[in-house]
Amino acid sequence: QLVLTQSPSASASLGASVKLTCTLSSGHSNYDIAWHQQQPEKGPRYLLKVNSDGSHSRGDGIPDRFSGSRSGAERYLTISSLQADDEADYYCHTWATGLWVFGGGTKLTVL
Amino acid sequence: QVQLLQSGAEVRRPGASVKVSCKTSGYTFTTYHVNWVRQATGQGLEWLGYIIPNSGHTGSAQRFQGRVTITRDTSIRTAYMELRSLKSEDTAVYFCVVMGETTNWGQGTLVTVSS
Repeated sequence: QLVLTQSPSASASLGASVKLTCTLSSGHSNYDIAWHQQQPEKGPRYLLKVNSDGSHSRGDGIPDRFSGSRSGAERYLTISSLQADDEADYYCHTWATGLWVFGGGTKLTVL
Repeated sequence: QVQLLQSGAEVRRPGASVKVSCKTSGYTFTTYHVNWVRQATGQGLEWLGYIIPNSGHTGSAQRFQGRVTITRDTSIRTAYMELRSLKSEDTAVYFCVVMGETTNWGQGTLVTVSS
């Protein structure tokens, strides 16, 4: 069964970097994933896609402070030079034929 | 630039149905699948299903099969999601989502189910 697992929460200081993790279920380690950001009281916004080869492609207007990478079944979202409005929920998302799956989301607190 | 414009908020009684629309612009409508995702207050994102605008073929998450119908009108570049036999647990914001070169989200439609 295709499942994405995320830690419920993370925190980091203003100006620092943070790396969020999304883990693909066993047998699905080669899937591409996408990361979406949801700021408080707003709808989700697409950030970037992490391909199975570890490359990533950002959405329009997404600053290069946001980057993606992978290691095995883990997919990462790294946010550098944290700003106050990076405080948000971050969801990973993957897909197969006829199926979409979302991770449970990570709530990022900027200290 | 891709834009997805959804219909306005709805209130329904338990047992009723609701139909949400998603009017698209800025790309060739038949090129990309239109997916539907919902989010209850304070909860995560949940996928309902999709439509392939070119063929009209649809698919849905197992837990919504038999209760959700996704359609499209290619002449007006619009996709629709109808959910039947509504329960209070269906109260959520419903989003249409198009994943092409990038991924675009509609602004969301609040559906409230209450007696």
